[in-house]
Amino acid sequence: RKEVEQDPGPFNVPEGATVAFNCTYSNSASQSFFWYRQDCRKEPKLLMSVYSSGNEDGRFTAQLNRASQYISLLIRDSKLSDSATYLCVVKTRVGGANNLFFGTGTRLTVIP
Amino acid sequence: EPEVTQTPSHQVTQMGQEVILRCVPISNHLYFYWYRQILGQKVEFLVSFYNNEISEKSEIFDDQFSVERPDGSNFTLKIRSTKLEDSAMYFCASSAAPLGSGNTIYFGEGSWLTVV
Repeated sequence: RKEVEQDPGPFNVPEGATVAFNCTYSNSASQSFFWYRQDCRKEPKLLMSVYSSGNEDGRFTAQLNRASQYISLLIRDSKLSDSATYLCVVKTRVGGANNLFFGTGTRLTVIP
Repeated sequence: EPEVTQTPSHQVTQMGQEVILRCVPISNHLYFYWYRQILGQKVEFLVSFYNNEISEKSEIFDDQFSVERPDGSNFTLKIRSTKLEDSAMYFCASSAAPLGSGNTIYFGEGSWLTVV
């Protein structure tokens, strides 16, 4: 079973739309959770950490459900510049060390 | 904003050749990493490095791979005898503290390796 699973999309939405991405992780002992953004052939960049109580950063809201091992990202009022691949990333302790496990990403295209 | 820099940005090499990918981590960071991303696939951990030795490596990081910090600033990934399946984007990353803390890991822009 994959450590982190995401719907690959693509999601094509009009400007101004609200879009939600989901992610599940397999290891209940995972400690930290993140959403990264990756533009085509570029490096992943941290978008936001995900906290148990849920957190918001401007138009972006992240939620974590530890019982269901489920993470979500909501983007409100989509902008053209939001077009990218969104990576769900989980930090898990494996073999005595913490490692980051990446999902395959969900591709978003915001259409004018 | 401090950044991780990588060279080359793109390299084409023949199968069987040795390749060295170079990275300059953020100057006050002590923990260094290599990740790779095959086109269309997820980012995968290769190796982490601290205090001049490997602290963790994945199954991908077999005997054909090695890492080195030859001086105070560079961190290199060597692939001894490249295979077609080594074609990927290789990302270097660094952090000020181990991933166990609430620390951010910073990625370089990547080195795109094409093995022909």
